[in-house]
Amino acid sequence: GENVEQHPSTLSVQEGDSAVIKCTYSDSASNYFPWYKQELGKRPQLIIDIRSNVGEKKDQRIAVTLNKTAKHFSLHITETQPEDSAVYFCAAKFGNEKLTFGTGTRLTIIP
Amino acid sequence: GAVVSQHPSWVICKSGTSVKIECRSLDFQATTMFWYRQFPKQSLMLMATSNEGSKATYEQGVEKDKFLINHASLTLSTLTVTSAHPEDSSFYICSARDGGAPGNTEAFFGQGTRLTVV
Repeated sequence: GENVEQHPSTLSVQEGDSAVIKCTYSDSASNYFPWYKQELGKRPQLIIDIRSNVGEKKDQRIAVTLNKTAKHFSLHITETQPEDSAVYFCAAKFGNEKLTFGTGTRLTIIP
Repeated sequence: GAVVSQHPSWVICKSGTSVKIECRSLDFQATTMFWYRQFPKQSLMLMATSNEGSKATYEQGVEKDKFLINHASLTLSTLTVTSAHPEDSSFYICSARDGGAPGNTEAFFGQGTRLTVV
């Protein structure tokens, strides 16, 4: 089955700086890679996703890059703000298969 | 986006009793729903895949007789934690995917249920 590794587990960034979170996956057949933001006690919220036929996707301050050859994908948050503080999870899946989540990254934005 | 409603949002029960959690897709049909458990400061761990009209598929290490799943319609799946114990206290979250959408699309999460067993 799929195995997703995520790094770092915690990340502190000065407000206004950029944050990068990286994930690797094991199943080369995986073709869908979402990123979720989860605030304490709340449901995961999809913030951006990318499919395997695309190498990069951007939505305002958030971008995701995918390297299919190396089987890794990254989340980039620019101009970070205090409200970006949360736990971020990457995930991967193929077709209708189940989502496999990374272990999460606790991002803290320092004002 | 599509909406998944989970109920209750929190529940406290006595040890040995059973608790039922509902997961509904409000504006789409979900042939498959997923049940996750999340312990504090940990990732979402898939417990089982709920298939409409058939038996659920459980992940390794998850007791199917303890965590009963019923997916009787295209919009409702239920998870019943039977004979609950304090170690079952956790955050349970369901997710569903729009059955009419392509396979590689997002899953929508319910708001989660915080179960506390005392």
